[in-house]
Amino acid sequence: KNQVEQSPQSLIILEGKNCTLQCNYTVSPFSNLRWYKQDTGRGPVSLTIMTFSENTKSNGRYTATLDADTKQSSLHITASQLSDSASYICVVSSTGTYKYIFGTGTRLKVLA
Amino acid sequence: EAGVTQSPTHLIKTRGQQATLRCSPISGHTSVYWYQQALGLGLQFLLWYDEGEERNRGNFPPRFSGRQFPNYSSELNVNALELEDSALYLCASSLIASIGTDTQYFGPGTRLTVL
Repeated sequence: KNQVEQSPQSLIILEGKNCTLQCNYTVSPFSNLRWYKQDTGRGPVSLTIMTFSENTKSNGRYTATLDADTKQSSLHITASQLSDSASYICVVSSTGTYKYIFGTGTRLKVLA
Repeated sequence: EAGVTQSPTHLIKTRGQQATLRCSPISGHTSVYWYQQALGLGLQFLLWYDEGEERNRGNFPPRFSGRQFPNYSSELNVNALELEDSALYLCASSLIASIGTDTQYFGPGTRLTVL
């Protein structure tokens, strides 16, 4: 069964600290993995997209990694800001099925 | 450039009624995707339209249907509403109808409440 699991479910950190969010998937065959940021009450916004051959991609203070062998991805946030408070969603798509499997997200709260 | 727009923002219906949700993609985008986000759950893929055709659908019953118009805007129809249909319905659009590195841009969503 195609699944995407994220951990932790929620996370609270202090402003300026770093954090890492995890995503494990069982989707096969794998096409690509995306990380989205979803502010409360708004639609998700794409942060990174990685294909099978990419193992790291950065977008400002956000760095995503992908290990296609272990089927794991992480999203590292550096020097967190209050505006980073949001849900971070990992999405994996499967070759040929044109379906997107979403994780349930990690809710991050950054405190001053 | 305008982003993806959805209407209405909120919709309240009663069980058994029908709901129609609308989405206008970013200008030039031909693909439209619909997702359901129930409270406390992740996004669930509903439907994908491209160039007026339904390309794929998620694991939802047939009472969830939709269409894409020649101007690439889209409607999502939910018939015989059930309480568990209460959710945020998100629409996204992309430039390329591909499972590759196309970026989906999401709208703000329509909050459907079924009483």
